[in-house]
Amino acid sequence: GAVVSQHPSRVICKSGTSVKIECRSLDFQATTMFWYRQFPKKSLMLMATSNEGSKATYEQGVEKDKFLINHASLTLSTLTVTSAHPEDSSFYICSARRPGLGDSNQPQHFGDGTRLSIL
Amino acid sequence: QQQVKQSPQSLIVQKGGISIINCAYENTAFDYFPWYQQFPGKGPALLIAIRPDVSEKKEGRFTISFNKSAKQFSLHIMDSQPGDSATYFCAASRTGYSGAGSYQLTFGKGTKLSVIP
Repeated sequence: GAVVSQHPSRVICKSGTSVKIECRSLDFQATTMFWYRQFPKKSLMLMATSNEGSKATYEQGVEKDKFLINHASLTLSTLTVTSAHPEDSSFYICSARRPGLGDSNQPQHFGDGTRLSIL
Repeated sequence: QQQVKQSPQSLIVQKGGISIINCAYENTAFDYFPWYQQFPGKGPALLIAIRPDVSEKKEGRFTISFNKSAKQFSLHIMDSQPGDSATYFCAASRTGYSGAGSYQLTFGKGTKLSVIP
């Protein structure tokens, strides 16, 4: 089945550091990837939609300059949290959607998330 | 704003019992309704999904019931097991078009299921 790999699984770093999170689709090409943020015991909040070869589409309230998204290939999207601060601490999850013929039935497959802790 | 309302927030079920989680949506343009299971520290995993052209879909112990006129859908877990203890999210999306927001999932707030022996 489809597999989405997310790396790293956990990051602990000092305030002011920039952190890059990678999301890879391992056995399919994903033209669209999504980035979510999840607070403890809360639902997933869509941050942005990442389209291969074009600029990401950010949801209202998400700072584009804070959360840089790059989707340079059909199997890799990256989220960089720039100059991270404690309030950026959260669980970040990516997903990828496999396109194809009759693709309206293709579900999103999720990575295992990255726990980001900013000290 | 597009919303998917999920209930209950938490659910405790005896082993072997039936777990039922309900969701309601507002946007009639939604045409794909998946359920995801999430264990602590993991990403959501797709359990089962349904489209509005059918009223029920069953896969193993998991069944989705869909009521298009009421804009409601529910997940039934038969013969619930302790290993089913997790957080369950319903979601909805609009598919099959190329506009902004296509295939984006709108999630419910989640239901924490605890199956006790």
